[in-house]
Amino acid sequence: EPEVTQTPSHQVTQMGQEVILRCVPISNHLYFYWYRQILGQKVEFLVSFYNNEISEKSEIFDDQFSVERPDGSNFTLKIRSTKLEDSAMYFCASSFNYEQFFGPGTRLTVL
Amino acid sequence: RKEVEQDPGPFNVPEGATVAFNCTYSNSASQSFFWYRQDCRKEPKLLMSVYSSGNEDGRFTAQLNRASQYISLLIRDSKLSDSATYLCVVYMDSNYQLIWGAGTKLIIKP
Repeated sequence: EPEVTQTPSHQVTQMGQEVILRCVPISNHLYFYWYRQILGQKVEFLVSFYNNEISEKSEIFDDQFSVERPDGSNFTLKIRSTKLEDSAMYFCASSFNYEQFFGPGTRLTVL
Repeated sequence: RKEVEQDPGPFNVPEGATVAFNCTYSNSASQSFFWYRQDCRKEPKLLMSVYSSGNEDGRFTAQLNRASQYISLLIRDSKLSDSATYLCVVYMDSNYQLIWGAGTKLIIKP
C-alpha cells in the first residue's frame, strides 16, 4: 500500500538555525499539507499546496516558514530561523480528494 | 464556540464493551467529516470518512446529524488495540482545510 514518507524522523537543532523537513507524498496525490503537533496538544494546520503553489496557510505559517516542491516527488518545509517554540512533531499529508493520508512525522527539537 | 469540539476523556472501557464518542462542529457549511485515530507519538490515521448520514465498517459506525451539527463514532466489541485518541475532523470546502478536534482518549482495559 502506498504511503507518505518523511525524513528525518528526528531533527535536533540550535535556536536560530535553519531546518528543512522532507516529505515524499503518495505518487498520484495532488494536494499536499504540513501540520504540526506540539506534544500533548491538538494537530494544527500549517499550509496546503496545490498545483505548485500555496493554496492556504494558517496564522502559524509566518515568514519564517516556506514550502517547496523542488521536483516531482519531494515536498519540503523550511523553517528559516528556528525558535524554541517550534519544537513539535511535523506531519506531512497528501490527498487525491478529501481524504488525507499522513506521514510518520518528523520530531523537531530546538535547543 | 470552538470549531470542532470533543469530550477529551479519557474513556476507560472494559474489553468487549460498546463505546460512543460525540463531536460537534460550528460551521454549518462543512461538507465532509472524518474520524482519525492517533496512537501515542504516531501520525493520525484515517479511520472512517462520513459523507452522508453515516456509514459502518466492521465494528465501527459513524453517524452524521447535520441539523444538530454533530458526528458520532460507535465502537462495538472493543478490543485492547482500540486504545488510542480518536480525532474528529471536519473538512472546509471553502479553504481546503481540515479542522481538527482535540481528540477523545480511549483506554480499553482487559
